[in-house]
Amino acid sequence: DIQMTQSPPSLSASVGDRVTISCRASQDISNHLAWFQQEPGKAPKALIYGASSLHSGVPSKFSGSGSGTDFTLTISSLLPEDFATYYCQQYHTYPWTFGQGTKVEIK
Amino acid sequence: EVQLVESGGGLIQPGRSLRLSCAASGFNFGAYAMSWIRQAPGQGLEWIGCIKSKTFGWATEYAASVKGRFTVSRDDSKSITYLEMNSLKTEDTAVYYCARSTLSYWGQGALVTVSS
Repeated sequence: DIQMTQSPPSLSASVGDRVTISCRASQDISNHLAWFQQEPGKAPKALIYGASSLHSGVPSKFSGSGSGTDFTLTISSLLPEDFATYYCQQYHTYPWTFGQGTKVEIK
Repeated sequence: EVQLVESGGGLIQPGRSLRLSCAASGFNFGAYAMSWIRQAPGQGLEWIGCIKSKTFGWATEYAASVKGRFTVSRDDSKSITYLEMNSLKTEDTAVYYCARSTLSYWGQGALVTVSS
Protein backbone atom coordinates (compact mmCIF):
# COMPACT_ATOMS: atom_id res chain seq x y z
CA ASP A 1 0.00 0.00 0.00
CA ILE A 2 1.08 3.59 -0.60
CA GLN A 3 1.82 5.39 2.65
CA MET A 4 0.91 9.06 2.92
CA THR A 5 2.79 11.08 5.52
CA GLN A 6 1.64 14.56 6.49
CA SER A 7 3.60 17.15 8.39
CA PRO A 8 3.22 18.70 10.81
CA PRO A 9 0.60 16.65 12.72
CA SER A 10 -0.68 19.91 14.17
CA LEU A 11 0.09 23.60 14.03
CA SER A 12 -1.01 26.75 15.82
CA ALA A 13 -1.65 29.86 13.80
CA SER A 14 -3.40 33.20 14.05
CA VAL A 15 -6.19 34.70 11.99
CA GLY A 16 -4.59 36.23 8.93
CA ASP A 17 -1.60 33.88 8.88
CA ARG A 18 -0.47 31.85 5.88
CA VAL A 19 0.09 28.16 6.58
CA THR A 20 1.58 25.31 4.60
CA ILE A 21 0.95 21.60 5.12
CA SER A 22 3.15 18.96 3.54
CA CYS A 23 2.22 15.50 2.31
CA ARG A 24 4.66 12.86 1.12
CA ALA A 25 3.79 9.66 -0.71
CA SER A 26 5.86 6.50 -0.28
CA GLN A 27 6.00 6.11 -4.06
CA ASP A 28 5.31 8.14 -7.19
CA ILE A 29 1.59 8.98 -7.46
CA SER A 30 1.90 11.49 -10.32
CA ASN A 31 -0.68 14.20 -9.52
CA HIS A 32 -3.34 11.83 -8.17
CA LEU A 33 -3.57 13.68 -4.88
CA ALA A 34 -6.53 15.28 -3.15
CA TRP A 35 -6.91 17.49 -0.09
CA PHE A 36 -9.85 17.54 2.32
CA GLN A 37 -10.95 19.78 5.18
CA GLN A 38 -12.83 18.36 8.14
CA GLU A 39 -14.41 20.44 10.86
CA PRO A 40 -15.23 18.73 14.19
CA GLY A 41 -18.34 16.58 13.97
CA LYS A 42 -18.75 17.12 10.23
CA ALA A 43 -18.08 15.15 7.09
CA PRO A 44 -14.89 15.93 5.18
CA LYS A 45 -15.13 18.47 2.41
CA ALA A 46 -13.14 18.15 -0.81
CA LEU A 47 -10.85 21.10 -1.48
CA ILE A 48 -8.38 20.09 -4.17
CA TYR A 49 -7.99 17.31 -6.72
CA GLY A 50 -5.24 16.58 -9.20
CA ALA A 51 -2.80 18.07 -6.67
CA SER A 52 -3.58 21.66 -7.64
CA SER A 53 -7.13 22.01 -9.02
CA LEU A 54 -9.73 23.62 -6.78
CA HIS A 55 -13.16 22.04 -6.49
CA SER A 56 -16.06 24.27 -7.43
CA GLY A 57 -16.91 26.75 -4.72
CA VAL A 58 -13.61 26.43 -2.85
CA PRO A 59 -12.07 29.84 -2.21
CA SER A 60 -8.85 30.70 -4.00
CA LYS A 61 -7.02 31.18 -0.69
CA PHE A 62 -6.55 27.41 -0.82
CA SER A 63 -3.84 26.24 -3.19
CA GLY A 64 -2.07 22.97 -3.82
CA SER A 65 1.15 22.05 -5.51
CA GLY A 66 3.49 19.18 -6.16
CA SER A 67 3.75 15.99 -8.15
CA GLY A 68 5.40 12.62 -7.81
CA THR A 69 5.92 12.14 -4.09
CA ASP A 70 5.90 15.61 -2.51
CA PHE A 71 2.87 17.85 -2.20
CA THR A 72 1.80 20.94 -0.30
CA LEU A 73 -1.43 22.63 0.69
CA THR A 74 -1.23 26.34 1.37
CA ILE A 75 -3.92 28.39 3.05
CA SER A 76 -3.41 32.11 2.77
CA SER A 77 -4.91 34.53 5.26
CA LEU A 78 -6.54 32.17 7.77
CA LEU A 79 -10.09 32.91 8.85
CA PRO A 80 -11.82 31.41 11.93
CA GLU A 81 -13.68 28.88 9.75
CA ASP A 82 -10.36 27.54 8.40
CA PHE A 83 -9.36 26.07 11.75
CA ALA A 84 -9.96 22.40 11.09
CA THR A 85 -8.16 19.16 10.28
CA TYR A 86 -6.76 18.71 6.79
CA TYR A 87 -6.10 15.39 5.07
CA CYS A 88 -4.26 14.45 1.91
CA GLN A 89 -5.27 11.33 -0.01
CA GLN A 90 -3.86 9.44 -2.98
CA TYR A 91 -6.09 7.92 -5.63
CA HIS A 92 -3.28 6.64 -7.85
CA THR A 93 -3.43 3.04 -6.69
CA TYR A 94 -5.90 0.91 -4.75
CA PRO A 95 -6.26 0.80 -1.85
CA TRP A 96 -6.66 4.55 -1.72
CA THR A 97 -4.92 5.94 1.35
CA PHE A 98 -5.07 9.07 3.48
CA GLY A 99 -2.47 10.97 5.43
CA GLN A 100 -2.93 10.99 9.18
CA GLY A 101 -4.21 14.56 9.16
CA THR A 102 -2.95 17.98 10.19
CA LYS A 103 -4.92 19.86 12.80
CA VAL A 104 -4.80 23.64 12.37
CA GLU A 105 -5.53 25.29 15.69
CA ILE A 106 -5.96 28.88 16.78
CA LYS A 107 -2.94 30.36 18.50
CA GLU B 1 -27.45 19.64 -5.97
CA VAL B 2 -25.49 16.48 -5.23
CA GLN B 3 -26.75 14.75 -2.09
CA LEU B 4 -25.61 11.56 -0.42
CA VAL B 5 -27.53 10.24 2.59
CA GLU B 6 -26.34 7.25 4.59
CA SER B 7 -28.64 5.14 6.71
CA GLY B 8 -28.66 1.86 8.60
CA GLY B 9 -26.15 2.58 11.33
CA GLY B 10 -26.61 1.68 14.97
CA LEU B 11 -25.46 -0.55 17.81
CA ILE B 12 -24.61 -4.11 16.81
CA GLN B 13 -23.03 -7.02 18.67
CA PRO B 14 -19.65 -8.43 17.64
CA GLY B 15 -19.92 -11.20 15.04
CA ARG B 16 -23.22 -9.91 13.68
CA SER B 17 -23.93 -8.35 10.27
CA LEU B 18 -25.18 -4.92 9.27
CA ARG B 19 -25.98 -3.26 5.96
CA LEU B 20 -25.56 0.44 5.35
CA SER B 21 -27.26 2.27 2.51
CA CYS B 22 -26.28 5.45 0.73
CA ALA B 23 -29.01 7.15 -1.28
CA ALA B 24 -27.79 9.51 -3.99
CA SER B 25 -29.52 12.34 -5.80
CA GLY B 26 -28.65 15.32 -7.97
CA PHE B 27 -26.40 13.53 -10.46
CA ASN B 28 -26.32 10.62 -12.93
CA PHE B 29 -25.60 7.98 -10.29
CA GLY B 30 -24.93 5.15 -12.71
CA ALA B 31 -22.03 6.98 -14.33
CA TYR B 32 -19.95 7.26 -11.16
CA ALA B 33 -17.93 4.99 -8.93
CA MET B 34 -18.93 5.10 -5.28
CA SER B 35 -16.66 4.66 -2.26
CA TRP B 36 -17.05 3.98 1.44
CA ILE B 37 -14.73 5.57 3.98
CA ARG B 38 -14.77 5.21 7.75
CA GLN B 39 -13.48 7.16 10.70
CA ALA B 40 -13.02 5.53 14.09
CA PRO B 41 -13.65 7.78 17.12
CA GLY B 42 -10.92 10.40 17.38
CA GLN B 43 -9.00 8.89 14.48
CA GLY B 44 -8.24 9.69 10.85
CA LEU B 45 -9.93 8.62 7.65
CA GLU B 46 -9.72 5.10 6.21
CA TRP B 47 -10.89 4.28 2.70
CA ILE B 48 -12.46 0.82 2.86
CA GLY B 49 -13.84 0.05 -0.57
CA CYS B 50 -15.53 1.11 -3.77
CA ILE B 51 -17.68 -0.08 -6.64
CA LYS B 52 -17.09 1.20 -10.13
CA SER B 53 -19.73 2.03 -12.73
CA LYS B 54 -21.33 -0.30 -15.29
CA THR B 55 -18.75 0.94 -17.82
CA PHE B 56 -16.11 -0.75 -15.69
CA GLY B 57 -18.16 -3.85 -15.02
CA TRP B 58 -19.22 -2.78 -11.53
CA ALA B 59 -15.79 -3.92 -10.35
CA THR B 60 -15.04 -3.62 -6.64
CA GLU B 61 -11.89 -2.82 -4.67
CA TYR B 62 -11.31 -3.19 -0.92
CA ALA B 63 -8.86 -2.33 1.80
CA ALA B 64 -7.12 -5.33 3.32
CA SER B 65 -8.69 -4.58 6.71
CA VAL B 66 -12.19 -5.42 5.42
CA LYS B 67 -11.60 -7.65 2.41
CA GLY B 68 -13.61 -10.85 2.74
CA ARG B 69 -15.89 -9.40 5.43
CA PHE B 70 -17.35 -6.30 3.76
CA THR B 71 -19.09 -6.10 0.39
CA VAL B 72 -19.91 -2.98 -1.60
CA SER B 73 -22.80 -3.20 -4.05
CA ARG B 74 -25.11 -0.83 -5.90
CA ASP B 75 -28.56 -0.57 -7.41
CA ASP B 76 -28.38 1.93 -10.24
CA SER B 77 -32.16 1.84 -10.73
CA LYS B 78 -32.59 3.20 -7.19
CA SER B 79 -29.40 5.34 -7.05
CA ILE B 80 -28.29 3.52 -3.92
CA THR B 81 -24.98 2.00 -2.91
CA TYR B 82 -24.74 -0.51 -0.08
CA LEU B 83 -22.07 -1.62 2.36
CA GLU B 84 -22.71 -5.11 3.71
CA MET B 85 -20.62 -5.72 6.83
CA ASN B 86 -20.24 -9.25 8.16
CA SER B 87 -18.41 -10.71 11.17
CA LEU B 88 -18.26 -7.30 12.75
CA LYS B 89 -15.53 -6.58 15.28
CA THR B 90 -15.29 -3.95 17.99
CA GLU B 91 -12.58 -2.25 15.93
CA ASP B 92 -15.12 -1.67 13.14
CA THR B 93 -16.78 0.96 15.35
CA ALA B 94 -16.69 4.15 13.30
CA VAL B 95 -18.62 6.73 11.37
CA TYR B 96 -19.10 5.37 7.86
CA TYR B 97 -19.26 7.78 4.94
CA CYS B 98 -20.13 7.19 1.31
CA ALA B 99 -18.55 9.41 -1.32
CA ARG B 100 -18.75 9.90 -5.05
CA SER B 101 -16.01 9.09 -7.54
CA THR B 102 -12.69 10.59 -6.38
CA LEU B 103 -14.39 11.57 -3.08
CA SER B 104 -15.60 14.87 -4.47
CA TYR B 105 -18.88 14.69 -2.53
CA TRP B 106 -19.54 13.01 0.84
CA GLY B 107 -22.58 12.01 2.82
CA GLN B 108 -23.11 13.09 6.42
CA GLY B 109 -22.04 9.71 7.79
CA ALA B 110 -23.64 6.86 9.72
CA LEU B 111 -22.36 5.77 13.13
CA VAL B 112 -21.81 2.07 13.62
CA THR B 113 -21.02 0.92 17.15
CA VAL B 114 -19.93 -2.68 17.58
CA SER B 115 -20.24 -3.66 21.20
CA SER B 116 -21.68 -6.40 23.37
